[in-house]
Amino acid sequence: EDKVVQSPLSLVVHEGDTVTLNCSYEVTNFRSLLWYKQEKKAPTFLFMLTSSGIEKKSGRLSSILDKKELFSILNITATQTGDSAVYLCAVRGHSNYQLIWGAGTKLIIKP
Amino acid sequence: GAGVSQSPSNKVTEKGKDVELRCDPISGHTALYWYRQSLGQGLEFLIYFQGNSAPDKSGLPSDRFSAERTGGSVSTLTIQRTQQEDSAVYLCASSPRTSAQSSYEQYFGPGTRLTVT
Repeated sequence: EDKVVQSPLSLVVHEGDTVTLNCSYEVTNFRSLLWYKQEKKAPTFLFMLTSSGIEKKSGRLSSILDKKELFSILNITATQTGDSAVYLCAVRGHSNYQLIWGAGTKLIIKP
Repeated sequence: GAGVSQSPSNKVTEKGKDVELRCDPISGHTALYWYRQSLGQGLEFLIYFQGNSAPDKSGLPSDRFSAERTGGSVSTLTIQRTQQEDSAVYLCASSPRTSAQSSYEQYFGPGTRLTVT
């Protein structure tokens, strides 16, 4: 059965710290891995990764995929209180449309 | 244009009543998805529409759940005889197309928080 596992489930850090969120997967016919940020209700898209070893970067956020070891990490440097959210990882496998979602990592940034 | 919209934003209903949740996708997006998210959980896939047809209804948890999409645009998710375990946030997402060769993100609406008392 396809599955996506995120760790840790929750994380509390202080403003300015750097955090690393993990997403591991076992998905048939992997196509892509996506990261989303969910602050209240609607997840918002962060990154899509399809190739190993190529870092995607947006400001203080970056992500990389390892297709050999079947995981991805999301890094946030110099964290701010506005980074507090649930970070969701999803993987597209053999289905053309269906994403398999992890349970998310709840990140809390303390001032 | 506007993003994905959903209504109502919150719905409180009594056990046994029927509810209808509405999703208005981004104009021109042919693919539409319904998800359910219980407190502290990830997204649970319910149903997918390509145009007006639903090739995958495998995620609907029971025959009390149904969905339709008309005109390739607005979709409604109906839950009949609601139960307390139906309480969750129901999220709708749309994307421009599906393709075996490409990958793309889904754009989410703000969700409907359903509480069954």
